[in-house]
Parts: sequence; C-alpha cells; structure tokens
Amino acid sequence: EAGVVQSPRYKIIEKKQPVAFWCNPISGHNTLYWYLQNLGQGPELLIRYENEEAVDDSQLPKDRFSAERLKGVDSTLKIQPAELGDSAVYLCASSLSQDTYEQYFGPGTRLTVT
Amino acid sequence: AQSVAQPEDQVNVAEGNPLTVKCTYSVSGNPYLFWYVQYPNRGLQFLLKYITGDNLVKGSYGFEAEFNKSQTSFHLKKPSALVSDSALYFCAAGGGATNKLIFGTGTLLAVQP
Repeated sequence: EAGVVQSPRYKIIEKKQPVAFWCNPISGHNTLYWYLQNLGQGPELLIRYENEEAVDDSQLPKDRFSAERLKGVDSTLKIQPAELGDSAVYLCASSLSQDTYEQYFGPGTRLTVT
Repeated sequence: AQSVAQPEDQVNVAEGNPLTVKCTYSVSGNPYLFWYVQYPNRGLQFLLKYITGDNLVKGSYGFEAEFNKSQTSFHLKKPSALVSDSALYFCAAGGGATNKLIFGTGTLLAVQP
C-alpha cells in the first residue's frame, strides 16, 4: 500500500513569493490533515478535510494561507506571500475517517524562506 | 484546553537497557492516546495507540505503553533498547469535544552502543 505522498520535499523561496505544497493521501482515506511543524516542536494542525469539505480550519492563517481539496482526494496548501516565519516543515496526513484517530503521515515539505 | 506534556527533551540510554519515554495528557472525557516516531527527514510513523481496553498496549518494534488514568500518563517503554531506536518520539492525545490530535513537543531518544 502506497503511503501519503508529498511534493516537493524541499523548497527554498524568497520572502513575499508564493509557494504551494501538494499532498496525495492513502487511497480510500477520506480525512486529510495539513500540519505545521516548527523545529523542536510537535506538529500543529492547520486544516482538516472530510472529503472535499474543510471541517476545521481554525488554526489556518487565512490572510496568507489557503488550501483546497477539490475532488476529495489530493490537496494543495498555498502560502502567498511567504514570510520568514513560515520556514518550517509542512506535513500532510490522512486517516480513514474523522472517527479514526490513527493518522498516517507523509514525509513533509521543508520550506525555507530567505 | 487539551494538552500533552513530554517533560524530557532528551533521554539517553545504553543499548540493551530498558527505556522509558514519559508522556502526560490533559483531555476532557475518554482520551485517545498515540505514540509516533520520527526519523531525520522523515514523516511521523505510527507506533501504537490506546483507545479502550487493556491498559498495556503493544506496538511496533517491541515498544509498549501503559495507560494510567489516575496519573493521566501514557509512558512509552521498551525492555531492551537498540541503537536503531534513536529518533524523535511524539506523544499525541485526542478525544473529548473535538477530533483534533494534540501533539507533545517530542523527546529525543539517544541509544548509545
């Protein structure tokens, strides 16, 4: 079984530039999560999708962050414009449903904003 | 508010010795508890979970964890550490009013040969 796929694995951009991350969850997993992991910290939830619906985006900084999961499968997380403080690892995870707490994580995208 | 605490930033243990990585939680209602491991430049890998049932949970790679409701703890244990167990370990808790998982800050396990 293929795991959660994320791309790119690494991204370096200058501040004020836009950036996008892509995630393909495990086949059949209806719930998709985007997390932010700062150095030395645990992951923090940014947004959770149930199929194509964003059911929890309370931690997503909506002035510069956006996400979509149009067909309820893969998802894109965007930052525009990026700031220096956005440098972190962005993790995508998926689970069978919102009632299944066992989440499977992708390798993450390490973003460096210069 | 829900929270997870991992009081040790780093745990050092000699290969072959038992190891314990500590975790305490604060969740309203019945908690769902997890341990994940993260190797460098890799995503989090699921180790084990407690949802209900036996307080002692066995997971991958010989790890186990004990749920202690009175102490609100879920410590990770292994009888005999391997050098390859060296990694960053995260405890997570969910349950209560939301489906959100809250992660601890992580504990770096260093196993010396």
